[in-house]
Amino acid sequence: QQQVKQSPQSLIVQKGGISIINCAYENTAFDYFPWYQQFPGKGPALLIAIRPDVSEKKEGRFTISFNKSAKQFSLHIMDSQPGDSATYFCAASKRRGNSGGSNYKLTFGKGTLLTVNP
Amino acid sequence: NAGVTQTPKFQVLKTGQSMTLQCAQDMNHEYMSWYRQDPGMGLRLIHYSVGAGITDQGEVPNGYNVSRSTTEDFPLRLLSAAPSQTSVYFCASSRTGVGDSPLHFGNGTRLTVT
Repeated sequence: QQQVKQSPQSLIVQKGGISIINCAYENTAFDYFPWYQQFPGKGPALLIAIRPDVSEKKEGRFTISFNKSAKQFSLHIMDSQPGDSATYFCAASKRRGNSGGSNYKLTFGKGTLLTVNP
Repeated sequence: NAGVTQTPKFQVLKTGQSMTLQCAQDMNHEYMSWYRQDPGMGLRLIHYSVGAGITDQGEVPNGYNVSRSTTEDFPLRLLSAAPSQTSVYFCASSRTGVGDSPLHFGNGTRLTVT
């Protein structure tokens, strides 16, 4: 069972355009939704994250939109640049059990390969 | 700070061989984890640890063992490698294992099993 579904699998955008990547989740217990960016040959790195008590979070050209009722969230990259070309992963986490301790698990989507053409 | 260091960067094994993928972090992070990345499959959690002496299984633990004897190190052991374990392996750590503590990833180990 895939708990976080990400689309599209790949995306090609012209420089200056808007890149949009969508994710949907099933488990309403998820309470943290980060996006990770991965360049070739490197490990993923946290880009931006949101909690379900807000509907939008913006950091520079990157914005997360969150729709709790639809169980969907998306990443928007404004004024996309060739340097944004990378693989993007959405993710979701929940706490396992009720201990409140350090036992959370991050579940990733399958990734979107973004190519921004100059 | 080196962050999360993984060794080796590349490895080729024959079916049935064993090996250990090394992971070390110098950030005094409680939480460490291993993921594998396969084309079209995203990142899948293999094992994780919330502190020295404490480990637990993730989504795809079969064929892998882990231990956490120190805060810094979290090795991943393949006891009898299989072609299905050909993948890129990432180690990641976070300050705590809760809430919005971001994961810090190493640069991966590319493993090929023939």
